[in-house]
Amino acid sequence: EAQVTQNPRYLITVTGKKLTVTCSQNMNHEYMSWYRQDPGLGLRQIYYSMNVEVTDKGDVPEGYKVSRKEKRNFPLILESPSPNQTSLYFCASSLQGAFGSGYTFGSGTRLTVV
Amino acid sequence: KQEVTQIPAALSVPEGENLVLNCSFTDSAIYNLQWFRQDPGKGLTSLLLIQSSQREQTSGRLNASLDKSSGRSTLYIAASQPGDSATYLCAVKDQGAQKLVFGQGTRLTINP
Repeated sequence: EAQVTQNPRYLITVTGKKLTVTCSQNMNHEYMSWYRQDPGLGLRQIYYSMNVEVTDKGDVPEGYKVSRKEKRNFPLILESPSPNQTSLYFCASSLQGAFGSGYTFGSGTRLTVV
Repeated sequence: KQEVTQIPAALSVPEGENLVLNCSFTDSAIYNLQWFRQDPGKGLTSLLLIQSSQREQTSGRLNASLDKSSGRSTLYIAASQPGDSATYLCAVKDQGAQKLVFGQGTRLTINP
């Protein structure tokens, strides 16, 4: 089944403790991206990647890092999480990010930073 | 800067009704528009993708239209069912931008 898989689904952590949220897709998509969803603010892009070793900032990149060492994986790294990063996070992939292909989203990771 | 608006923010209708959800966007230079469904606390499920050159797409009881020149899209749901209850999001893919711009969504409740 074609899908985007995120792990973990739920995570509670403490301020300052480094964490990684994994994202993997099995559709051989070049483009991958991370979004966060917050009440009243909607979905906002954090980072995106057009292909292996090519990443760029989205609208809200502060406090996050990403890497794209393999085509299928695009982990999101929070080096020193803070409470304002409590959110619902989504990973997405697309066959061709620059053109008309649709996006496939993962099931989401609900992160709570205390 | 592209802005996407969805009206109404919430809608409650009895089962069996046909209904229309609206989406408008400010910049007509888009590659496509995508409608998603989101259940509470869950992921986004893609419903329909309309390319900028298309006028509509259909999948089962769902029909989405696109009028790029006026910056509008509608999602038509026929013979609504309680299982259709969810938040519906529309998103546009701007030309030259590497992201989707989302509306705030319409929270739909279908009453048995």
